[in-house]
Amino acid sequence: AQKVTQAQTEISVVEKEDVTLDCVYETRDTTYYLFWYKQPPSGELVFLIRRNSFDEQNEISGRYSWNFQKSTSSFNFTITASQVVDSAVYFCALSEQGAQKLVFGQGTRLTINP
Amino acid sequence: DAGITQSPRHKVTETGTPVTLRCHQTENHRYMYWYRQDPGHGLRLIHYSYGVKDTDKGEVSDGYSVSRSKTEDFLLTLESATSSQTSVYFCAISEGHSPYGYTFGSGTRLTVV
Repeated sequence: AQKVTQAQTEISVVEKEDVTLDCVYETRDTTYYLFWYKQPPSGELVFLIRRNSFDEQNEISGRYSWNFQKSTSSFNFTITASQVVDSAVYFCALSEQGAQKLVFGQGTRLTINP
Repeated sequence: DAGITQSPRHKVTETGTPVTLRCHQTENHRYMYWYRQDPGHGLRLIHYSYGVKDTDKGEVSDGYSVSRSKTEDFLLTLESATSSQTSVYFCAISEGHSPYGYTFGSGTRLTVV
């Protein structure tokens, strides 16, 4: 069965600090897909990244980076030089090949203080 | 330019009344989903559809039913609303299997009093 765990319920940092959001997943499939979504205070869900299980290369997009490690079943998300606009709830999610559904972690509420 | 819309955006209803939420898409995507979001639980799948009149249960389907008579519309019905169904409901669409990602609607905030 699919399962995603985000152990950090809330994180609060001061602006310009780096912050890492943890995501640990469980799956029996060898082919699967991992996602991160951002939910700002306005409430919509914003897609950030999708990674498949065969691509363990880390990805960087501006101040955002993702570290995928199959050996530890983790897909962590780092924000470098955080900004107040990064304040949001962040969700990690997993979809198994052919499962046709997305399973979410509990979410991490990130607060960036000026 | 939203390819997916939910209605209503907000609703307050009384315990025991039926409620229907609507999800409408203009993307012609095959798959549609209903999730609920509650503090501490993230988003949990209620039901999903993989085609017209083809639906299946998610992990929290008790008390909910769905219908999809047209590709573009996916309805979620609470037959007899309870306070435990107070939540934010999100619809999502997908054009295929998981590699293609998911697009979410803006959500419906439902309060059952």
